[in-house]
Amino acid sequence: KAGVTQTPRYLIKTRGQQVTLSCSPISGHRSVSWYQQTPGQGLQFLFEYFSETQRNKGNFPGRFSGRQFSNSRSEMNVSTLELGDSALYLCASSLILLTSGGHNEQFFGPGTRLTVL
Amino acid sequence: DAKTTQPTSMDCAEGRAANLPCNHSTISGNEYVYWYRQIHSQGPQYIIHGLKNNETNEMASLIITEDRKSSTLILPHATLRDTAVYYCIVTNNAGNMLTFGGGTRLMVKP
Repeated sequence: KAGVTQTPRYLIKTRGQQVTLSCSPISGHRSVSWYQQTPGQGLQFLFEYFSETQRNKGNFPGRFSGRQFSNSRSEMNVSTLELGDSALYLCASSLILLTSGGHNEQFFGPGTRLTVL
Repeated sequence: DAKTTQPTSMDCAEGRAANLPCNHSTISGNEYVYWYRQIHSQGPQYIIHGLKNNETNEMASLIITEDRKSSTLILPHATLRDTAVYYCIVTNNAGNMLTFGGGTRLMVKP
């Protein structure tokens, strides 16, 4: 079956702009999580959406937001971009909620590389 | 979640076993050890996980010491396609939100 897809793969924006990234999970997966990966901070959890509701949230400012649609596709939005937002943004899908307990394998997409100038 | 320490980089000859160590001396009783890898320009890929016992699947073996303070991921017959960054993560069973550190950059050479 098809894997997790993310669009666009590359994006260049300037400070102060806003950006929307898209993620299509594996068919049947209801959980979509977003992560930020930078050379300095490694990979960090942003938030998780499940059944169109944000269920878990990492330690990121309110400029980072998201939503999930009824078909489980998800979008992530970053407003008022800063230089430090330049990163690889990864989306991961899983069958069940991350905090359901037990092993829950996450399947990652290829990421969107955002560059803020 | 407990912190992990891994070597920054390792080399391995193609066809030989690759043994990647990870220290997690502050691990608590209900925390699992997970391994993911990230091949260049791709998202991370789950490899294996374990709690106390050694585990094996089609990709790798995971050896966890009796005191659980360290573990080793073993790729039994490394190929060039195993060249990647390997991440060792400790996470509470109640929450699978992942935080990766620097990982080990494994270079498999012909």
